[in-house]
Amino acid sequence: SQQGEEDPQALSIQEGENATMNCSYKTSINNLQWYRQNSGRGLVHLILIRSNEREKHSGRLRVTLDTSKKSSSLLITASRAADTASYFCATAGYSGSRLTFGEGTQLTVNP
Amino acid sequence: EAGVAQSPRYKIIEKRQSVAFWCNPISGHATLYWYQQILGQGPKLLIQFQNNGVVDDSQLPKDRFSAERLKGVDSTLKIQPAKLEDSAVYLCASSLVDHYGYTFGSGTRLTVV
Repeated sequence: SQQGEEDPQALSIQEGENATMNCSYKTSINNLQWYRQNSGRGLVHLILIRSNEREKHSGRLRVTLDTSKKSSSLLITASRAADTASYFCATAGYSGSRLTFGEGTQLTVNP
Repeated sequence: EAGVAQSPRYKIIEKRQSVAFWCNPISGHATLYWYQQILGQGPKLLIQFQNNGVVDDSQLPKDRFSAERLKGVDSTLKIQPAKLEDSAVYLCASSLVDHYGYTFGSGTRLTVV
C-alpha cells in the first residue's frame, strides 16, 4: 500500500484563494517531498522538507511537517488558474527504502 | 540542463504482445527509477538502479517485466507478454542523490487492448 495519503482527493477554488492539501504517512521518514503533475505530463518536484524541519517556503508554496502526527500540509497562496494540476506527496525513508507516493489531490483553480 | 528523455510518447498494443520503453536520464545522475502510474493513482516504483546495478525491484512483476541499464546511463523497460492491466503511464526519473528531488520524464502512455 502507498505510504502517503493525501486529503482531500479533489479541491476546487477560485483564483486568488489559498489552497491547502494535507498528507499523512505511516512510518518514520528521512524527508517528505511534494510534486505537481499537469494532465498528461510527468511529475515536477516542488519542495523537499527534511524530518528535522518544521516549515519551509518556496515562492507561493508553504510546507509544514509534523513528525509527531506523521502529517504534512502544502499551502499554495494566491492561487492561479495555472496551478490547476494534481499534487502528490512522497515520503523517503532512510537508506535503502524507496520514495513512495500518495494518491494525489486534484486541484482545480477556476478563473 | 536537458531533462529526462523518454520514448515513445504513446504506445497501443494488443494483449500478449511485447513492448519496450526507453529512458535517457540527466547526465551525471547515478540513480534511475521506473514508475508505473495507473490512471487516477499515484506512481508506484517498479525498479531502481544505482549506476547499472539494481537497488530495488521488489515490486517489479518479474514474470513479465524486465529492465536493464547498460553502462549506467540509458535504460529500457520491457513487458512481455502484456496484459490489459498493464495499461498505464510508465515514468522514468533520475536523481543525483538517492531519495532527494527526482526529475521525471514526460512518460510513455501504454494502452493494452
